[in-house]
Formats: sequence, structure tokens, C-alpha cells
Amino acid sequence: DAGVIQSPRHEVTEMGQEVTLRCKPISGHDYLFWYRQTMMRGLELLIYFNNNVPIDDSGMPEDRFSAKMPNASFSTLKIQPSEPRDSAVYFCASSPGGQPQHFGDGTRLSIL
Amino acid sequence: DQQVKQNSPSLSVQEGRISILNCDYTNSMFDYFLWYKKYPAEGPTFLISISSIKDKNEDGRFTVFLNKSAKHLSLHIVPSQPGDSAVYFCAASVYNQGGKLIFGQGTELSVKP
Repeated sequence: DAGVIQSPRHEVTEMGQEVTLRCKPISGHDYLFWYRQTMMRGLELLIYFNNNVPIDDSGMPEDRFSAKMPNASFSTLKIQPSEPRDSAVYFCASSPGGQPQHFGDGTRLSIL
Repeated sequence: DQQVKQNSPSLSVQEGRISILNCDYTNSMFDYFLWYKKYPAEGPTFLISISSIKDKNEDGRFTVFLNKSAKHLSLHIVPSQPGDSAVYFCAASVYNQGGKLIFGQGTELSVKP
């Protein structure tokens, strides 16, 4: 079975540019989560969806971040404009009914 | 405010011996706990979980113990194998808050042959 698929695996871009991270959850999973991992803050939840509807976005750091889930098989996380402090590994995860969550291999984002 | 804490950043054990990873939490509303394992350049992989109605759950070489009064859980791996070398995260959730997980900072386990 295909797991959670994230693209790109690595992204390097300049400050001020728009960044779009993509995620394809496991088929049949009704929850989708976006996490960010940094040395300082560890693994922190940014936002999660249930049946394509955003449920909790309290972890989204600021208005520069937005996430969408237009259908059950696709989600995006956008950062506009990007800043060097956004550099981190971003993980997408999905689950059937909440737990346990299955993670993708992440996108390593570097903002210069 | 770190609600889930793993106070040991690293642990080194000999192959064949027991590995014990510890996790403390502060929020008494947490009622479901999970352990994840992470290799470099990969996402975390679910390992084992426990509900607050239990105090022990076992799956092969992995056992999780929960002490609700102490707000403490531990993961025991026995016997430890070199392939177990990874970063281990504990995570906690409140069931009626959907799938929201709070993660600890992780413990890097090194199992030496």
C-alpha cells in the first residue's frame, strides 16, 4: 500500500518567495495533519482536517501560512511570503478516525 | 509550556539488553498515548499505543507502561537490537479533541553490537 506522499522532498528558495508543499494522504483516511519539526520547538502540529474540513488551525504560526484540502486525496500548505525562520522539516500525516497517524517522509525547506 | 516531556535526549544500550525510554506529561486530560520511531530522513512511524484505561500494552519486543498517578509512561524494548537505533517520540492526545497529538522532544536510542 502506498503511504503518505509528500512533495517536494527538498525545497530551497529565497526569502520572500511563495512556497507550496503538497501532500497525498493514504486512501480512505479521513484525517489529515500538517506538522513542522525544528530543533527549537520539536514536532508541532500546525493544522488538521477531518473530511476535508479544517478543524484546528491554532498551530499555524501567522497569516503567512495557509492550508487547503480541496478533496480527500490532496492537501497543500503554502507560505507567502517565506522567511528564513520558516526553514524546517514539514510533515504531513493521515489517519483513519484520528489515531494512529501515518506520516510522510517530509519536505525539508530551506529559506535563504 | 511543554505538556509532554522526554528528559533524556539520548540513550545508549548494548545489543540484547533492555532499553527503557521515559516520558512525562502534565495535562491530566490526556487519555491516549503513542510511541513513534523515527529514522533519519524519514517520517515518524507508529510503534505502539496505550489508552488511559490500561496500565500496560505489549507488542512483541515492545511494551508500554502507563502510570497515571505519576503522569509517566515508559517504553521498554527487550531484547534491544541494532536496528532499533532511532529517535523515539512519545505523543499524547485528548480523545475528544479529534486527532490532535502533542509530541515530546524525542530520545535518540543507540543500540551497540
